[in-house]
Amino acid sequence: AQSVTQLDSHVSVSEGTPVLLRCNYSSSYSPSLFWYVQHPNKGLQLLLKYTSAATLVKGINGFEAEFKKSETSFHLTKPSAHMSDAAEYFCVVSVSGGGADGLTFGKGTHLIIQP
Amino acid sequence: KAGVTQTPRYLIKTRGQQVTLSCSPISGHRSVSWYQQTPGQGLQFLFEYFSETQRNKGNFPGRFSGRQFSNSRSEMNVSTLELGDSALYLCASAAVVGQGLEQYFGPGTRLTVT
Repeated sequence: AQSVTQLDSHVSVSEGTPVLLRCNYSSSYSPSLFWYVQHPNKGLQLLLKYTSAATLVKGINGFEAEFKKSETSFHLTKPSAHMSDAAEYFCVVSVSGGGADGLTFGKGTHLIIQP
Repeated sequence: KAGVTQTPRYLIKTRGQQVTLSCSPISGHRSVSWYQQTPGQGLQFLFEYFSETQRNKGNFPGRFSGRQFSNSRSEMNVSTLELGDSALYLCASAAVVGQGLEQYFGPGTRLTVT
């Protein structure tokens, strides 16, 4: 079985300050891990993914995440927040290489950017 | 390439009615999957179609069904609607990228059941 826990339901940061969204996972197998972003009234957009290559993964819009097996974590970071980053972020674990039936979604973290 | 499109974007239905949602995948993608998103349950997998065949199914009642056409377009049907079916229904098409699959999501259909 697999599961994913997003440790914060809401995160609020000021524009220009760093962003940290936390995600822990549980998996019996070597997982693939993803971060998706969802803006209001939009679908999910893939930010980045980890598939057993480099543990530090760079994504779009300046986001990156580090896979730490010992901590079973896959936290999402960005050095400097922008107003356009305000959205819902989902951490996703997969043991089927990203196949639809094997995706387990976290509950989401709502990122608020203060001007 | 055009992204995944879903129609309609918004729907209001009454309990007991049925509804059909449509999804057009990215050109060349043969896998289409459906998800239900609600504030309480989050994102839950409904089913996946590949080359007109249902390949996987989530834990939803038989009132939820779907199909895929030869052009990979997919429809999802919900019969005998219940208030709890109010949700954002997302469709995704998949492509092989590197060592695995990536899901590309459409904007969703917001279904409200009254």
